[in-house]
Amino acid sequence: GAVVSQHPSRVICKSGTSVKIECRSLDFQATTMFWYRQFPKKSLMLMATSNEGSKATYEQGVEKDKFLINHASLTLSTLTVTSAHPEDSSFYICSAPTGGTGNQPQHFGDGTRLSIL
Amino acid sequence: SQKIEQNSEALNIQEGKTATLTCNYTNYSPAYLQWYRQDPGRGPVFLLLIRENEKEKRKERLKVTFDTTLKQSLFHITASQPADSATYLCALGGMDSSYKLIFGSGTRLLVRP
Repeated sequence: GAVVSQHPSRVICKSGTSVKIECRSLDFQATTMFWYRQFPKKSLMLMATSNEGSKATYEQGVEKDKFLINHASLTLSTLTVTSAHPEDSSFYICSAPTGGTGNQPQHFGDGTRLSIL
Repeated sequence: SQKIEQNSEALNIQEGKTATLTCNYTNYSPAYLQWYRQDPGRGPVFLLLIRENEKEKRKERLKVTFDTTLKQSLFHITASQPADSATYLCALGGMDSSYKLIFGSGTRLLVRP
């Protein structure tokens, strides 16, 4: 079945560091990928839609200069948290739909636990 | 305002019973609704999708209903097992031309042996 791989699974770093998270579709091509943020016992909050070959689309309230997204190929999207601060600590998850139409399942990575000291 | 509501309290049931989880939404017009399972520290896993013109969908021990008049979906797990213990998320989609999903906050299910 369709697999999405996310790396790293956990990051602990100092305040002010920039952190890059990778999301790969392993056995299918993904022209679109999504990045979510999840707080403990809360819903997945959509941050942005990553589009291969074009700029990402950010949800309202998400700082595009803070959360840089690059969709370099049909199988790779990256999220870079720039100059991270403790309030950026969270669980970040990516997903990709497998189908050519919208009403298809999304396949999720296993998330990245980001802890900023 | 737009809302998706799932029971925030955990559902605690005995093994073998049927678990029923609820997803209600307000001021959305989804073309489809999806249910996912999420285990602690993991990403969600897709379970079932139901379209607006479908009333019910089944897959093995799982059943989902979709009532667009009530703006509600019910998710049932029959003959529940301890391994079914997880958080279950509903997600609305097809509200625009994108593939975006809007998630509820999930309901935690605990199945006692």
